Amino acid sequence: GDSVTQMEGPVTLSEEAFLTINCTYTATGYPSLFWYVQYPGEGLQLLLKATKADDKGSNKGFEATYRKETTSFHLEKGSVQVSDSAVYFCALISNFGNEKLTFGTGTRLTIIP
Amino acid sequence: DGGITQSPKYLFRKEGQNVTLSCEQNLNHDAMYWYRQDPGQGLRLIYYSQIVNDFQKGDIAEGYSVSREKKESFPLTVTSAQKNPTAFYLCASTDRGGSPLHFGNGTRLTVT
Repeated sequence: GDSVTQMEGPVTLSEEAFLTINCTYTATGYPSLFWYVQYPGEGLQLLLKATKADDKGSNKGFEATYRKETTSFHLEKGSVQVSDSAVYFCALISNFGNEKLTFGTGTRLTIIP
Repeated sequence: DGGITQSPKYLFRKEGQNVTLSCEQNLNHDAMYWYRQDPGQGLRLIYYSQIVNDFQKGDIAEGYSVSREKKESFPLTVTSAQKNPTAFYLCASTDRGGSPLHFGNGTRLTVT
């Protein structure tokens, strides 16, 4: 079945540091890939997405590239801010069958000033 | 503005009681989902529905029930058979075709 493996947290960085959160996946066919962000006490918000190989999703300074050869979708940001502190989830939705969204376990990110 | 509304935000119940969590969307989405989130864990799928009057079990459906009588609404009932019901419950919807899910702000259920 489909699965997503992401970097375990928590991750703590200083403001303006470079961020990478690793995500790899296993899926049938050609899934769409997503990064979601969850702020405390809230639901999940879509951060960025990519729907085919070599696509780069980007939003709010975050980027992730769909790498089919390494089955990866790593999240990066060049200079993090305190307001980026949240839990980040990598997810995929298969284009075959039941269209269930499969999530990674989430990575808690804390940025210290 | 379109979106997903979950109510209430906080819910408290005594053990042995059934409780129903509300989820309403005005996005005209066909598919709706219920997820459970426990501290430090990812999201686990409880039930999903791709069309009115039809729904499927997810990975952890035991102790839960749903209905989908209207496109806009997908209520979740946590029954007394659910052994560990205290959790954060998230409802989501999508218009399918690989589109991303839109999430509500969740309901935190505490059972004592």
